Formats: sequence, structure tokens, C-alpha cells
Amino acid sequence: QQQVKQSPQSLIVQKGGISIINCAYENTAFDYFPWYQQFPGKGPALLIAIRPDVSEKKEGRFTISFNKSAKQFSLHIMDSQPGDSATYFCAASRGSSNTGKLIFGQGTTLQVKP
Amino acid sequence: DTGVSQNPRHKITKRGQNVTFRCDPISEHNRLYWYRQTLGQGPEFLTYFQNEAQLEKSRLLSDRFSAERPKGSFSTLEIQRTEQGDSAMYLCASSLADRGRSYEQYFGPGTRLTVT
Repeated sequence: QQQVKQSPQSLIVQKGGISIINCAYENTAFDYFPWYQQFPGKGPALLIAIRPDVSEKKEGRFTISFNKSAKQFSLHIMDSQPGDSATYFCAASRGSSNTGKLIFGQGTTLQVKP
Repeated sequence: DTGVSQNPRHKITKRGQNVTFRCDPISEHNRLYWYRQTLGQGPEFLTYFQNEAQLEKSRLLSDRFSAERPKGSFSTLEIQRTEQGDSAMYLCASSLADRGRSYEQYFGPGTRLTVT
């Protein structure tokens, strides 16, 4: 059962452009939504996260937009750089539950062209 | 380095052999998670520990898989009688649970298992 759907599967952006990745979730009990960045052969690295009590969170060039009513959230990478080329995963969890296990999307491979 | 560490980083084994992986979490973290990631997919939850207690196991975790976390510190994941379908990246993550809530999970570099 797919609980977090991510799109697009791949994305090519020119240097300096804006990269946008979208995710949709089904379980309204989710209360924590992180984004992870993963380079080939490495483990996922926590990039930025949001909880549903806010609609937007910004950290440097990375912004999460959250729409609770639509059950959607997105990652915006401003001024995209070649070093941002990686696979990005959205995830969701019930951090307030006993588990806190993360449910991941399928991933988006981002290529930023110089 | 105070991050999550995993050993070995790579393991090649023949079908039918047993393998064991180790994860050392961030020292003050009381929760430890194991995930499995196959090529082109997001990580999938396998199991997690709160201190030394294993509190949940995914249906993905067949009876050939066993995990331990003695004394609530490092953890081991053992796969018995490996199959080619076990080939994947095995990821460990840790977090700090406070008053029953657990949010940020930090991942290790993973162990890449190849079963030939």
C-alpha cells in the first residue's frame, strides 16, 4: 500500500533555476514530513522537515510548502546548483506514535546542469 | 565523528550463507531503526528498537532475519540462509525519543549486500 506518492521521478534543471518536487500522502495521522537527500552509495541525509502546524518552512535555499487540506507537501530548491544533483526522498511519519517509522516516497533524481 | 556508523560498508556473500551487519547509533539516541533500500526505491522500514527492546517488526522481516540491540547501544542485523532477493542496501537510523515522541532520524552510510 503506497502511502506517500512522489513526483516527478526525475527532474533536470539549469543552474540557478528552481527545482520543485511534490509529494502527496494518504494517512491524516501523519504529523512529521521530512525531506532527505541521498548521493550515490551514501545514506540519506536529513535536509529539512515540517510539521503540519505551519504551512511553510525555509532553511537557506530549501523551502517546504505544506497544504494540510490537500494532503500535499513540496520541496523547493532555489538557485539550484550542480552540487544539488542527487536523489531526493520525501517521507512521512507519526512522530507522536510509538514507532515514528518513516514511510518514504519513491524518490526524485535531480540533475542540475551547469 | 558523532554520526551513525555501519559496518561493513559492503558485503558480498554466496546464497545460503549467513551475514551479520552492525550499526552504532548516535550516542545519546535511544531509538534505532533498520531500513532496507533496493535500487531506485525509497527505504522501507524493517524494525526498530527503543533502548534494548525490539518494539515493531515489518512483515518484510522474514524469520530468516533477526535483529538485536544488547544493552541499548549498538545493534546487529543478521540474515540467515541468504537469498538473491536479499541483495539491497541495509540502512540504520537513530533518533531521540522524548516523552514518547520521536522525530528526526539520522541515517548511517548503509551496508550494501550482494548475494551471488
